Amino acid sequence: AAGVIQSPRHLIKEKRETATLKCYPIPRHDTVYWYQQGPGQDPQFLISFYEKMQSDKGSIPDRFSAQQFSDYHSELNMSSLELGDSALYFCASSLGTGGATNEKLFFGSGTQLSVL
Amino acid sequence: AQKITQTQPGMFVQEKEAVTLDCTYDTSDPSYGLFWYKQPSSGEMIFLIYQGSYDQQNATEGRYSLNFQKARKSANLVISASQLGDSAMYFCAMREGRVSGTYKYIFGTGTRLKVLA
Repeated sequence: AAGVIQSPRHLIKEKRETATLKCYPIPRHDTVYWYQQGPGQDPQFLISFYEKMQSDKGSIPDRFSAQQFSDYHSELNMSSLELGDSALYFCASSLGTGGATNEKLFFGSGTQLSVL
Repeated sequence: AQKITQTQPGMFVQEKEAVTLDCTYDTSDPSYGLFWYKQPSSGEMIFLIYQGSYDQQNATEGRYSLNFQKARKSANLVISASQLGDSAMYFCAMREGRVSGTYKYIFGTGTRLKVLA
């Protein structure tokens, strides 16, 4: 079965550079979530989208922005990168229409961002 | 206040034995969902099991079962017949009410399980 696809798998950037992370949800999933996981930390919610509209915002810095496109894929844009942005960034998708089976959150393999 | 509490930062279990990973939660939402995810050293987050707040029976998925005690607000994961491949970080997560179309998912701090041969 198709899973959530994230690219790139690894990314190395320098301070003050920009980065773009991409996420392709499971086909027919209309909801995308972005999480940031620092070393040894639990995943922290950044932002979510439902039907191409921003739905909820968590601890996402102003330097970051994200959007969901017409094909439901999503991109997380990160500017003026800082050392503290080094983390594993997960994208997750679900069917946003509710119901016990639809609310399961499926994760991609993550993008490991290293800021030097 | 912490909404998902996993009090065991690390645990050891002997291969083929059963192990219980603890999770307590806090919510005032009558409708919620509880999840367990496994994160091996490779980093991916793997869905294991789900329990809805209105489900009458405890969820089971193969060797995984969820001991759901609603009055105590606990959702412990039980892994039976542990295997070496079960060594990983395990996260308990809760789904709360919907915000403009999406749910809010909150994660605990995780329990690192090591299975010993």
